[in-house]
Amino acid sequence: DAGVTQSPTHLIKTRGQQVTLRCSPKSGHDTVSWYQQALGQGPQFIFQYYEEEERQRGNFPDRFSGHQFPNYSSELNVNALLLGDSALYLCASSHLDGRNREQYFGPGTRLTVT
Amino acid sequence: AQSVTQLDSQVPVFEEAPVELRCNYSSSVSVYLFWYVQYPNQGLQLLLKYLSGSTLVKGINGFEAEFNKSQTSFHLRKPSVHISDTAEYFCAVSGLDQGAQKLVFGQGTRLTINP
Repeated sequence: DAGVTQSPTHLIKTRGQQVTLRCSPKSGHDTVSWYQQALGQGPQFIFQYYEEEERQRGNFPDRFSGHQFPNYSSELNVNALLLGDSALYLCASSHLDGRNREQYFGPGTRLTVT
Repeated sequence: AQSVTQLDSQVPVFEEAPVELRCNYSSSVSVYLFWYVQYPNQGLQLLLKYLSGSTLVKGINGFEAEFNKSQTSFHLRKPSVHISDTAEYFCAVSGLDQGAQKLVFGQGTRLTINP
C-alpha cells in the first residue's frame, strides 16, 4: 500500500513565477491537508480539502490556492512567488471521519525561490 | 485558537541516556495531542497521540508521553536513547470537532545523540 506521495521532490523557481505541487493521498483517505514548513520552523497549516471543496484555511494569502480531484488527489498552486515562499511543502492525508485522528504525511516538496 | 510551545530548541544527550522533550499548549477548548518525528530530508512520522483515556501514552520506538491537563503539558520521554533517534521532534494539537483535523505545531526540538 503506497503511502502519501508528492511530486516533484525539489523545485527551483524565480520570483513572480507560478508553481503547482501535487499530492496523492494514502489509499482509503478522502481528505488532504497542505502545510508549509520554513527552514528551522514547525509546519504551518495552509488549507484542507474534502469532497473537492476547501474546508479550512490557515493564515495564508490568496496567492495560495488548491484543488482536489475526484480521485482525492490534490494540487497546491502558488502565484506570484516571493522569496519567502521558499520552504518544504508537506501534504497530509486522512479520513474525515477517522476516529484515530491520524494524518499521514508525504515526504514533501522542497521549493526554492530565487 | 490553539498554540504550542516547545521549550527547548535543541537537546543534546549521550547515547543510552534518558531524554525528555517538553511541550506546553494553550487552548480555550479541549484538544487532541500528538508528537511527530522528522528525520533529515523526510516528512513527518507519528510517534504517539493522546485522544482520551489514560494520560500516559506509549508510542513507537520506545517513546512515551504524559498528558497533564492542569499544566497543559504533553512531554515526550524515552528512558534510553539510540543514535538513530537523532531527528527533529514536533508537538502538535488539534481541536476535538469531527473533521477539524487542522494541526497546530510547535517550533520543533532538535534531538542530537552523542556517542
